[in-house]
Amino acid sequence: AQSVTQPDIHITVSEGASLELRCNYSYGATPYLFWYVQSPGQGLQLLLKYFSGDTLVQGIKGFEAEFKRSQSSFNLRKPSVHWSDAAEYFCAVVHTGTASKLTFGTGTRLQVTL
Amino acid sequence: EAGVVQSPRYKIIEKKQPVAFWCNPISGHNTLYWYLQNLGQGPELLIRYENEEAVDDSQLPKDRFSAERLKGVDSTLKIQPAELGDSAVYLCASSSFLAGDADTQYFGPGTRLTVL
Repeated sequence: AQSVTQPDIHITVSEGASLELRCNYSYGATPYLFWYVQSPGQGLQLLLKYFSGDTLVQGIKGFEAEFKRSQSSFNLRKPSVHWSDAAEYFCAVVHTGTASKLTFGTGTRLQVTL
Repeated sequence: EAGVVQSPRYKIIEKKQPVAFWCNPISGHNTLYWYLQNLGQGPELLIRYENEEAVDDSQLPKDRFSAERLKGVDSTLKIQPAELGDSAVYLCASSSFLAGDADTQYFGPGTRLTVL
């Protein structure tokens, strides 16, 4: 069965510092990959997605992610973090052929210090 | 364009009481999902609808949970009776084959349920 691993439960960065959140997936073929962000008391907002093509994907709010097939990874990055980026970040995968069944990781909570 | 709408946003009930959550998907989205999100976890699918048909309800605890999507638009998820362990956030999402983006799900704000 497919799975998603986010090894970092909690990350703290200083405002203005760079950020990388890790995501690894387990799946035999190339899945569809997503990053969502969830602010406290809010639903999930789509940051970006990868289906095919260019392995470096640009998203909203200055985020980007890179698909690396050899490492089964889809890490999220931002060059300069803002205090408003503090939230929970979820990586998710759709197993192509399972009709849009999303499998989520357990999330990484980002704290931003001023 | 309005996003996915859910109500209520918060609900506090006593155990053994019934509760219902309502979801209105993005206009034109034919696929609707209900997810359960426990504290500190990612969402887990409860049920998926294609129009009016529940095409995947394998994770729905059918002894106490039920859902419906009459007319293929808005949907209601019900729990009867609620148990302490049902305290969680219930998320609704939608997607559209017609938009050529069938695998992208858009989420509502969720309903936070507390069972006392």
